[in-house]
Amino acid sequence: ILNVEQSPQSLHVQEGDSTNFTCSFPSSNFYALHWYRWETAKSPEALFVMTLNGDEKKKGRISATLNTKEGYSYLYIKGSQPEDSATYLCAFRGGGTSYGKLTFGQGTILTVHP
Amino acid sequence: ETGVTQTPRHLVMGMTNKKSLKCEQHLGHNAMYWYKQSAKKPLELMFVYSLEERVENNSVPSRFSPECPNSSHLFLHLHTLQPEDSALYLCASSSPWMGTRTSGSYNEQFFGPGTRLTVL
Repeated sequence: ILNVEQSPQSLHVQEGDSTNFTCSFPSSNFYALHWYRWETAKSPEALFVMTLNGDEKKKGRISATLNTKEGYSYLYIKGSQPEDSATYLCAFRGGGTSYGKLTFGQGTILTVHP
Repeated sequence: ETGVTQTPRHLVMGMTNKKSLKCEQHLGHNAMYWYKQSAKKPLELMFVYSLEERVENNSVPSRFSPECPNSSHLFLHLHTLQPEDSALYLCASSSPWMGTRTSGSYNEQFFGPGTRLTVL
């Protein structure tokens, strides 16, 4: 059974704070690491797909880094806004299938207070 | 709007009922997935269809029966469910992995909004 862990489970920050959370995953048979953003009552929305060790991706105020050798990824949000409140999911994809078999972490619930 | 729709959005059913969940994608993808999310648990993969063929069945009880009549539609037929089956059921679709790991598309999955199922 693959183990994908996210921490913290939940986080409350004030508007304007910068924050980060962690996803840890198996360091063997790595193929890709996905980050999703999931707002209540909506569909999970893809943020990043990261494939190479040392990858850094950025989308607006959100960025992510990847370390496949030690099996972790960080997601950073700079200057959090209330609209960033959501659950952030990471998902590990190992090799061996042509379709995307993803193993998800439990998510980090972020609440940004005005 | 991700291009993946699910109906119904909410469903309440008794343990003896038979119902179906429907998923439709308008993205030209050829892989479709059913996931289950129970309270305080990660998303769990239930089934995967690739090119309309079931390629994954993650030890799901037979009271859940998937059907993929074509690459745009996916169903989950439900019968004699238990109260512990109450959960959010999400559908997703993806295209094949193309290109190399430095470029191309990466099986990014696009999700529907889910069906909230309550079994009484």
